[in-house]
Amino acid sequence: NAGVTQTPKFQVLKTGQSMTLQCAQDMNHNSMYWYRQDPGMGLRLIYYSASEGTTDKGEVPNGYNVSRLNKREFSLRLESAAPSQTSVYFCASRAWTERQETQYFGPGTRLLVL
Amino acid sequence: GNSVTQMEGPVTLSEEAFLTINCTYTATGYPSLFWYVQYPGEGLQLLLKATKADDKGSNKGFEATYRKETTSFHLEKGSVQVSDSAVYFCALRGGSARQLTFGSGTQLTVLP
Repeated sequence: NAGVTQTPKFQVLKTGQSMTLQCAQDMNHNSMYWYRQDPGMGLRLIYYSASEGTTDKGEVPNGYNVSRLNKREFSLRLESAAPSQTSVYFCASRAWTERQETQYFGPGTRLLVL
Repeated sequence: GNSVTQMEGPVTLSEEAFLTINCTYTATGYPSLFWYVQYPGEGLQLLLKATKADDKGSNKGFEATYRKETTSFHLEKGSVQVSDSAVYFCALRGGSARQLTFGSGTQLTVLP
């Protein structure tokens, strides 16, 4: 049981390049999330997926697209990277049991856009 | 909308000192409240949670009480250890919202 896994761990891009951040969870959770973490700003939600086949915008969706490929996988794509997208990106999935919830986070992807 | 305000860090304490990290929130209805911890180089882990007023969440010696009258969820620990050095995030999930709203995080460093 690996929990939430993310690849790559670290990436350097040039402005205008594209890339896809991968996320997978093996806990059979319906809901998955992408956050970005910036100094002094906590975590901000980019996109989330309540279930397979659905996606919704979060607080800061501009410049990103997502795909919920199946129940396990939720990818985040940057079509044309900008320096403002330099950040640490976290994927999470949510367990919901007995009306209590817990979000499980991956280890993060550090992205530097030059 | 929902918001979470945490005391700014960094906080530096000596081992066995008492810890308080303040957290206040703004939300409609009756949110669920959480503390997450992030150790260096890792993702966030749930530390404790409380789902209704006057509930006390506790884990690993940390405690926080859901105070609706003061809209607060302060994190406390009676005696910190070097291994508690991490960034602590207060968060809430308001009403029917599916996502969490996080505070800005508080860096804690515990010195031996």
